[in-house]
Amino acid sequence: DVVMTQSPLSLPVTLGQPASISCRSSQSLVYSDGNTYLNWFQQRPGQSPRRLIYKVSNRDSGVPDRFSGSGSGTDFTLKISRVEAEDVGVYYCMQGTHWPWTFGQGTKVEIK
Amino acid sequence: QVQLVQSGAEVKKPGASVKVSCKASGYTFTSYGISWVRQAPGQGLEWMGWISAYNGNTNYAQKLQGRVTMTTDTSTSTAYMELRSLRSDDTAVYYCARDEIYGPLQLMITFGGRRGDAFDIWGQGTMVTVSS
Repeated sequence: DVVMTQSPLSLPVTLGQPASISCRSSQSLVYSDGNTYLNWFQQRPGQSPRRLIYKVSNRDSGVPDRFSGSGSGTDFTLKISRVEAEDVGVYYCMQGTHWPWTFGQGTKVEIK
Repeated sequence: QVQLVQSGAEVKKPGASVKVSCKASGYTFTSYGISWVRQAPGQGLEWMGWISAYNGNTNYAQKLQGRVTMTTDTSTSTAYMELRSLRSDDTAVYYCARDEIYGPLQLMITFGGRRGDAFDIWGQGTMVTVSS
């Protein structure tokens, strides 16, 4: 199975400051069609996960443009350009290239 | 609107079975699949398996093979996840999420590619508590 490793696991951030979460996979996530199936999810306290980013860098409808995804191969990053109070929660990366789908451990974003 | 609505919380004894439902609306149910994901208290997300709502094909996580069965009822646009021989470590919130109609290889064969838009819709979650 593909192991997804996120860092850091805890991320205290000052409001208005940037935040960055790293996600590394144990093997390349490039599929035979040339696409890379790496998603990012946000889970606010008490809520279901919400997809923010799909295929590395495609932002979902309604997701603020302060969220961006980047990376390739085995190294991926989610960036929040200016953290707002509503961004508090746990962020997960997930690979959808190789069955079984696997998630990172999660990164808890909190306000300092 | 497009949504997945799950059944209510369950409390089960060890060794029992639970069946959670996930009713889809707002889209063509048989044009997609459903994945099931669970989250133990205070823990991360664990993918349990996938079912195609088109043809009923399934793919289960190896650790759950033999204990889990996923089915669909296309007449009601509902997916089901049954977990048997429940243990205390099965206590978790169970989520359904919209996934692709086929597995990756079949998508390539049938369509020459994948949409890559899986997990865009999630159910609200169903708490399953296993306790004696």
